[in-house]
Amino acid sequence: EPEVTQTPSHQVTQMGQEVILRCVPISNHLYFYWYRQILGQKVEFLVSFYNNEISEKSEIFDDQFSVERPDGSNFTLKIRSTKLEDSAMYFCASSEWLVGSYEQYFGPGTRLTVT
Amino acid sequence: ILNVEQSPQSLHVQEGDSTNFTCSFPSSNFYALHWYRWETAKSPEALFVMTLNGDEKKKGRISATLNTKEGYSYLYIKGSQPEDSATYLCAFPYGGATNKLIFGTGTLLAVQP
Repeated sequence: EPEVTQTPSHQVTQMGQEVILRCVPISNHLYFYWYRQILGQKVEFLVSFYNNEISEKSEIFDDQFSVERPDGSNFTLKIRSTKLEDSAMYFCASSEWLVGSYEQYFGPGTRLTVT
Repeated sequence: ILNVEQSPQSLHVQEGDSTNFTCSFPSSNFYALHWYRWETAKSPEALFVMTLNGDEKKKGRISATLNTKEGYSYLYIKGSQPEDSATYLCAFPYGGATNKLIFGTGTLLAVQP
């Protein structure tokens, strides 16, 4: 069964460093998302991406964040200068269609630890 | 602010017990409700997408019901097994542009053998 994959599974970085989190969505999906969960809090939406551009972003997704689909398969989230409060589990998701009744398929997440 | 709530936050049951938990969501502008099962270190797995008021869906020992008028959904697990131990998340797609998911807090289920 097709699945969303994410690398790395765990990333430790120092405050101020740049990180890139990688995702490979399901191949025929057109809509891509990043979510994150800070420990003890709800999973929260960061950004959605379609047709090579951002469709919507949350207020968390400030200028320090960017997303890219550099080739036909990868979808990346970059944090330019990490802060302690960026420590979280970051999930990538993809969906075949932009209808609320369609499932979003999630990857296993990247745990980002900023020290 | 759109709020999705789940209760209880955690639940400890014995193997063989049946259990249920609740997801509450805004009843206006309803489109769908998603249930996910999330085991540590694995991808959240979609269990159900509920769309119609009165819907009842079933997958093995797990079933879910939906009441869109009062804004709640119940998830039931019959005869819990240790492998059912996971966090159960509900999520409400919101926003016409992207249908981003608004998640509840989750219910952590631990099934003791």
